[in-house]
Amino acid sequence: AQSVTQLDSQVPVFEEAPVELRCNYSSSVSVYLFWYVQYPNQGLQLLLKYLSGSTLVKGINGFEAEFNKSQTSFHLRKPSVHISDTAEYFCATSGFQKLVFGTGTRLLVSP
Amino acid sequence: EAGVAQSPRYKIIEKRQSVAFWCNPISGHATLYWYQQILGQGPKLLIQFQNNGVVDDSQLPKDRFSAERLKGVDSTLKIQPAKLEDSAVYLCASSLQTGAFGEQYFGPGTRLTVT
Repeated sequence: AQSVTQLDSQVPVFEEAPVELRCNYSSSVSVYLFWYVQYPNQGLQLLLKYLSGSTLVKGINGFEAEFNKSQTSFHLRKPSVHISDTAEYFCATSGFQKLVFGTGTRLLVSP
Repeated sequence: EAGVAQSPRYKIIEKRQSVAFWCNPISGHATLYWYQQILGQGPKLLIQFQNNGVVDDSQLPKDRFSAERLKGVDSTLKIQPAKLEDSAVYLCASSLQTGAFGEQYFGPGTRLTVT
């Protein structure tokens, strides 16, 4: 079965510093990967997705992710974070028409 | 464009009581999903509808959970009777099409506390 593993439950970072949130996937078939963000008391919002093509995917709010087949990873990066990026970030994979989410990484941005 | 609407936003009930959640998807979206998000975990799909029909309900605890989508628009998720472990946020999402190519749009969720 397809699955994703988010290695860090919480990532603290200072404002304007770069950040990387890690995600590894497990799949034996075509890989579709997603990153979602969940702000406090809100639903999930799609940041970016990889379906095929270029391995570097750019998303909203300055985020990007790189699909690495050899390392089975899809890490999310941002070169300079803002206080407003504080949220829960979920990596997900799609299989048999349904999304399977990781356990989430809480990004805490402090001044 | 209006987003996915859910109500109520918060609900507190005692165990063995029943509860119902309502979802209104984005207009024109044929596919509707209900997810359960337990604290500290990622959302887990409970049931997926394509118009009126159920596509996937393999993870729905059918002895206590039920869901319907009348007329292929609004949907209701019911729990009867509730257990303590049902405490979670229940998210509704909708998409124009199914599969990886159909972006899912999520509502704000209903936070259920069972005491």
